[in-house]
Order: sequence, then C-alpha cells, then structure tokens
Amino acid sequence: GAVVSQHPSRVICKSGTSVKIECRSLDFQATTMFWYRQFPKKSLMLMATSNEGSKATYEQGVEKDKFLINHASLTLSTLTVTSAHPEDSSFYICSARDHRGQETQYFGPGTRLLVL
Amino acid sequence: GENVEQHPSTLSVQEGDSAVIKCTYSDSASNYFPWYKQELGKGPQLIIDIRSNVGEKKDQRIAVTLNKTAKHFSLHITETQPEDSAVYFCAAHGGYQKVTFGIGTKLQVIP
Repeated sequence: GAVVSQHPSRVICKSGTSVKIECRSLDFQATTMFWYRQFPKKSLMLMATSNEGSKATYEQGVEKDKFLINHASLTLSTLTVTSAHPEDSSFYICSARDHRGQETQYFGPGTRLLVL
Repeated sequence: GENVEQHPSTLSVQEGDSAVIKCTYSDSASNYFPWYKQELGKGPQLIIDIRSNVGEKKDQRIAVTLNKTAKHFSLHITETQPEDSAVYFCAAHGGYQKVTFGIGTKLQVIP
C-alpha cells in the first residue's frame, strides 16, 4: 500500500516552454501533497504544500507564478513549471499524506527535468 | 524553526558489519521521526519511523532509537548488504506539521 506515482519520470524541454508534472496517490486518498526540489547530492527542499480544493502554500523564495500547483482531487496534484529556464533543471519529487490524518509522507519516484 | 543535523555525511562499511547514522533535532515539540532510503535517481522510500512516545523500534535488520531528552535519534542497520547502499535521510515532524530533513548520509556497503 501507500504508492505514489509521478509522470513523467524525465522530461527534456526547450527554454520558454511549460512543463506539467503529475503526482498521483494510487491506493489512498491524499488531502495534502507536497512538492520538493532536490539538487544533486543535496537534501530535499520543500517548495509548496498542496491541499485538495484550495490554494497551495508556497515556501519562502518559491515563485507561485512560476511553479503552478493544482490539487483538483484527492488523488492528483500537478506542478507546472512555466516558462522554464535552464536553472529550473532539477529533480522534482512529490509526496502525499493519507487523508486519515497520519503524518507519514509517501514519496513519488521523482521527475528529472532538463531545460535546454 | 526546526533544525535537523545528520551525521556522518558519508559512511563506508564492510558487508556484514553494522551501520549507524545519527540525527539531532532542536524543536522539543517534534513528535514523529521517519527515516528514508533514497537510491540513485529515485524518490525517497520510508524504511522505518518512530513516534515520541516510544524509545526504540525494530524491523528485521533495521532499528531506530530515540532519546527525547537529548533530542537525538539514530538509525541502526545490522548485517549490512550491498543493496543497503543508498542515501539515507532522517526527518523530524514539528508542532506545525512541517517536516525538516537532514542533509543525508551516503552509505556504501563494500562486498
């Protein structure tokens, strides 16, 4: 149980284009999902907290207009990197917390984004 | 806010030996401490967790200990195997539902 999927697993795009990453909880409902960014050999950096049916809460320094988050259902959250630039290249990981209130976060496999 | 320190940053052990990774936290309100294993190019996987009302928890070759007074918790892996090689992250969940991660420990098990 507690499986989280991400799609795509890797994406290469040109500068200026937008990229959408999907995060799905496959066998549980998640009222809260989290989006992280991870640089090589570094820890996870929380970008935003996504709550189903409401606006995401962004961490300080994260541009909400650049990283659009939508959490339209209890099993799906999407992160759209708008007008991507090479500095947006990174490993993006989502996690989901079960709606039954436990603190445990279950992570997706990550999405490798390369912006040329 | 919460500050989690993790050490060592890298650890090499011979296959069959034990590995210990330690973390300290600063927020006494933190009450949940998960450990994650991350293999190269993959997302973190929860391997064990402990809540503040428990001092120790074990799952086969993996154990976690928690000292609330000293605000530190440790991951113990016994009889290490090459497939244990990965980066391990500790985390602390604080009073505002925020989770803070350690910097990670790269464990290498040498066959």
